[in-house]
Amino acid sequence: GENVEQHPSTLSVQEGDSAVIKCTYSDSASNYFPWYKQELGKGPQLIIDIRSNVGEKKDQRIAVTLNKTAKHFSLHITETQPEDSAVYFCAAGRGGGGADGLTFGKGTHLIIQP
Amino acid sequence: DAGVIQSPRHEVTEMGQEVTLRCKPISGHNSLFWYRQTMMRGLELLIYFNNNVPIDDSGMPEDRFSAKMPNASFSTLKIQPSEPRDSAVYFCASSPGTGGKAFFGQGTRLTVV
Repeated sequence: GENVEQHPSTLSVQEGDSAVIKCTYSDSASNYFPWYKQELGKGPQLIIDIRSNVGEKKDQRIAVTLNKTAKHFSLHITETQPEDSAVYFCAAGRGGGGADGLTFGKGTHLIIQP
Repeated sequence: DAGVIQSPRHEVTEMGQEVTLRCKPISGHNSLFWYRQTMMRGLELLIYFNNNVPIDDSGMPEDRFSAKMPNASFSTLKIQPSEPRDSAVYFCASSPGTGGKAFFGQGTRLTVV
């Protein structure tokens, strides 16, 4: 089955700086890579996703890159703000979307220092 | 849209008791997933349904766990009998299907004492 590794487990950055979270996956058949943000006491919230036919996708301060050959993908957050503090999860799945279930990384606790 | 609705939000039960968690997916979504979240193991897929039919239950830890989806707007996850190691947050998620994005509910925090 799929195995997703995520690093780092904790990331502390100064407000206004950039944050980068990296993930690797093992199943070459995976073709859908979403990122979720989870705040305390809440469910994971989808913030951005990328499919295997695209190398990069950007949405305002958030961007995701995908390297299919190396089987890794990354989340980039620029101009970080206090409200970006949360746990971020990467995931990988098949079937072009959520329909076949997702395998999640262990999460990164992002701390934005004021 | 109200999103994925789970109940109860919190459940405390004694070891050996039956526990039933409930989920109402987003209207129109035809895929439903049950996940379990713990500090040690992170988010694990337990089972998922497409069009109310269970497709993959390989993530269900033991026979004590069972899930049903009697119609497109309701699903249950049952644990009988419950054990302390079942303590976790259980999430339900739904998706419009192939090519669709998965949306999570707020979760049920289960504590088995």
